[in-house]
Amino acid sequence: QMTQSPSTLSASVGDTVTITCRASHFISTSLNWYQQKPGKAPKLLIYAASSLQSGVASRFSGGGSGTDFTLTIDSLQPDDFATYYCQESYIDPPALAFGGGTTVEIK
Amino acid sequence: QPQLQESGPGLVKPSETLSLTCAVSGGSITSTSYFWGWFRQPPGKGLEWVGSLFYSATTFYNPSLKNRVTISVDASKKQLSMKLTSVTAADTAMYFCARGPRPIVMIRGASFDYWGQGTLAIVSS
Repeated sequence: QMTQSPSTLSASVGDTVTITCRASHFISTSLNWYQQKPGKAPKLLIYAASSLQSGVASRFSGGGSGTDFTLTIDSLQPDDFATYYCQESYIDPPALAFGGGTTVEIK
Repeated sequence: QPQLQESGPGLVKPSETLSLTCAVSGGSITSTSYFWGWFRQPPGKGLEWVGSLFYSATTFYNPSLKNRVTISVDASKKQLSMKLTSVTAADTAMYFCARGPRPIVMIRGASFDYWGQGTLAIVSS
């Protein structure tokens, strides 16, 4: 199970925001981050906790390992207002799971 | 760039079986370099993993769906399939298929970088 916080975040263009995810057990760096806009499929931003997916803006960064992880967006842009999900994977038992999501809205 | 396109009946009656397909173009469905997944999202809610598979047919399922879900691949048709039996209103959702790089160890580290646009399945009598 992934605990993601906050569930909603109000921010302004230019702000730096941080979203956190906590895993219930040790998952090393098996943690990914996605962005989703209304009516669209999720978009992979960060994989393996801190690796930036090709084509994704460098203002997105991920950190953490073990059980605690962060997604940081530097200098928030209008296109960044969306919902963000963390996703973990583990092998005993083999499964994937998403956090509950964080909606970044315009203040 | 691979493209994934989900399709399904749209409306399914309670207790029946929901059958969805995901057509894959612009890339190999038989490559061992990839990992495939089905996901769903009830209206206004978060993402849920349904299940995943390798082309070798090794499958992994969300335990919460117990024995109701089956995922398969048809290489000749270049498509993935998902069947969910005994559906209820709780299974009403947008269903997505997705592709990612093959994880290093089993399912650990799985991520998905190509997604279909989704297909809405409504369970109602």
